[in-house]
Amino acid sequence: GEDVEQSLFLSVREGDSSVINCTYTDSSSTYLYWYKQEPGAGLQLLTYIFSNMDMKQDQRLTVLLNKKDKHLSLRIADTQTGDSAIYFCAESKASNYQLIWGAGTKLIIKP
Amino acid sequence: GAVVSQHPSRVICKSGTSVKIECRSLDFQATTMFWYRQFPKQSLMLMATSNEGSKATYEQGVEKDKFLINHASLTLSTLTVTSAHPEDSSFYICSALAGESYEQYFGPGTRLTVT
Repeated sequence: GEDVEQSLFLSVREGDSSVINCTYTDSSSTYLYWYKQEPGAGLQLLTYIFSNMDMKQDQRLTVLLNKKDKHLSLRIADTQTGDSAIYFCAESKASNYQLIWGAGTKLIIKP
Repeated sequence: GAVVSQHPSRVICKSGTSVKIECRSLDFQATTMFWYRQFPKQSLMLMATSNEGSKATYEQGVEKDKFLINHASLTLSTLTVTSAHPEDSSFYICSALAGESYEQYFGPGTRLTVT
């Protein structure tokens, strides 16, 4: 079946880079996403990557995709306190757009 | 960017009553909307896929007679929790698919508490 896995917590110092990892099992996944959820709030789409890409960069965010290993990562450069949130990895296929979600990684920023 | 709103943001209701939650795409048309439920400290669970002008497709284990979904227009989908029970208390989030892209835009969520 389809499965998306993430570590539950990541703790980094303010100013350092954060790397949040995600693995998935469905090799037919077409799109892979990173969403951010702040406490008590809905989800914000941070970025997404097509399965035929290896990397995507958007300001402080860098997404790396290793399709062979089915591994996706999100790097946040110069992590700030405002980056504290839960980050969800998700995948979907072009056929139905339904998202399969990871459990979310809580990013904790240490001063 | 695309904006999705939900109303109400919080609602408290008595057990046995019904509650309607609205999901609107504010600046784009959405032929497909999704309804999710999120339990504390857990990921989202897809409840149903809502297509404009047709019946919603419910995920396994989701009671369609309890969670009524109506996608009446290209910018509005509603979720009605009928005969609510305390175990229905949860955070309900909708999302809308923006046109031909594969981006889902999420509403801010509705916190439902059933007493």
